[in-house]
Amino acid sequence: QKEVEQDPGPLSVPEGAIVSLNCTYSNSAFQYFMWYRQYSRKGPELLMYTYSSGNKEDGRFTAQVDKSSKYISLFIRDSQPSDSATYLCAMSTQGAQKLVFGQGTRLTINP
Amino acid sequence: DAGVTQSPTHLIKTRGQHVTLRCSPISGHKSVSWYQQVLGQGPQFIFQYYEKEERGRGNFPDRFSARQFPNYSSELNVNALLLGDSALYLCASRDISTYEQYFGPGTRLTVT
Repeated sequence: QKEVEQDPGPLSVPEGAIVSLNCTYSNSAFQYFMWYRQYSRKGPELLMYTYSSGNKEDGRFTAQVDKSSKYISLFIRDSQPSDSATYLCAMSTQGAQKLVFGQGTRLTINP
Repeated sequence: DAGVTQSPTHLIKTRGQHVTLRCSPISGHKSVSWYQQVLGQGPQFIFQYYEKEERGRGNFPDRFSARQFPNYSSELNVNALLLGDSALYLCASRDISTYEQYFGPGTRLTVT
């Protein structure tokens, strides 16, 4: 079993829809949670960074962490065609040197 | 400010050859990490360097090695290339006071 599970999709939604992306994990020591956006053949771009449980909002993006369920989510409101990309969740333990990534979810927003 | 830079952008090598990839971190960041991303998968951790010392190593064979220079730039070396080494190699820069890592554009390595 992988430490971080993420549905690879693909996920296709119409422009303006609310998108929900999710990851589950098995390591209860994870405390730092990140979402990255990766366009085709580019490096991952950091979107959201959250420490421990709770919600964090930044513009159209909201990140949620539920440590009791070992479940994290990224919501995208008013989705735009430019949001079409692969979204990667990543997490780390306290003092760790590495990020552990999910497989990535390929998202397409249709005009 | 410039982000993380990597060179070269693309590289084609033959099995058995070796390759050197280069990375310059964000100004002021002293930690550099290397990741391998195979098509359709998330990045996998290879190494982390901080203050020129190796601080973490992922589950990769000894053919993979790296180093960090006094200016905090870094090199990743891969010897005896295999077809399975074909991937996007990503460098990430980090301000050690946070856990946020910022990635460069990557080097796409193709081994034939």
